[in-house]
Amino acid sequence: GAVVSQHPSRVICKSGTSVKIECRSLDFQATTMFWYRQFPKQSLMLMATSNEGSKATYEQGVEKDKFLINHASLTLSTLTVTSAHPEDSSFYICSARDSLAGIQETQYFGPGTRLLVL
Amino acid sequence: GDSVTQMEGPVTLSEEAFLTINCTYTATGYPSLFWYVQYPGEGLQLLLKATKADDKGSNKGFEATYRKETTSFHLEKGSVQVSDSAVYFCALSVPMRAQKLVFGQGTRLTINP
Repeated sequence: GAVVSQHPSRVICKSGTSVKIECRSLDFQATTMFWYRQFPKQSLMLMATSNEGSKATYEQGVEKDKFLINHASLTLSTLTVTSAHPEDSSFYICSARDSLAGIQETQYFGPGTRLLVL
Repeated sequence: GDSVTQMEGPVTLSEEAFLTINCTYTATGYPSLFWYVQYPGEGLQLLLKATKADDKGSNKGFEATYRKETTSFHLEKGSVQVSDSAVYFCALSVPMRAQKLVFGQGTRLTINP
């Protein structure tokens, strides 16, 4: 099946630093990737839709200057949390959709990145 | 707006018990419906899906039927195993909304031997 990887799996950083999280589709091309945030014991909240070669589309309430998204190739999207603060600590999950599949194609999820900001 | 409501957890069952996790949805248009599973320490995996009314999705002994008349997509399994312990998420996507997934709050299932 389709595989999506994320790196790093876990990161601890100091307040004020920036953290980059990578999301890769390993065996398929993805013109669209999604970034989610999951708080402990809660559901996934969509943060933004990442589009290859164009600007990301952010959900209401998500600061685009805080969460920078770059989708530079058909297999890689990055999320950079800029000037991270403790309230940014969370589990960040990406998903990718196979570009060559039909309109009802499935999203494949990465294993997630746990961010802890001290 | 579009939303998904799941049965609140946690749910604890004994091995070989019958499982039902309720899921209802609200959506404009014609959504596709999904069940995702998240095992401890792992990412979400698609468990099953249904794309139109009366479709039944099934996988690994789990089943769910797309019921348009009751706007429901309840997850069932006849005999659960310890290895089924996980968090289960019901979700929908509407084709006209860029295939964005809307998730329910998740239901934590624990199966005791």
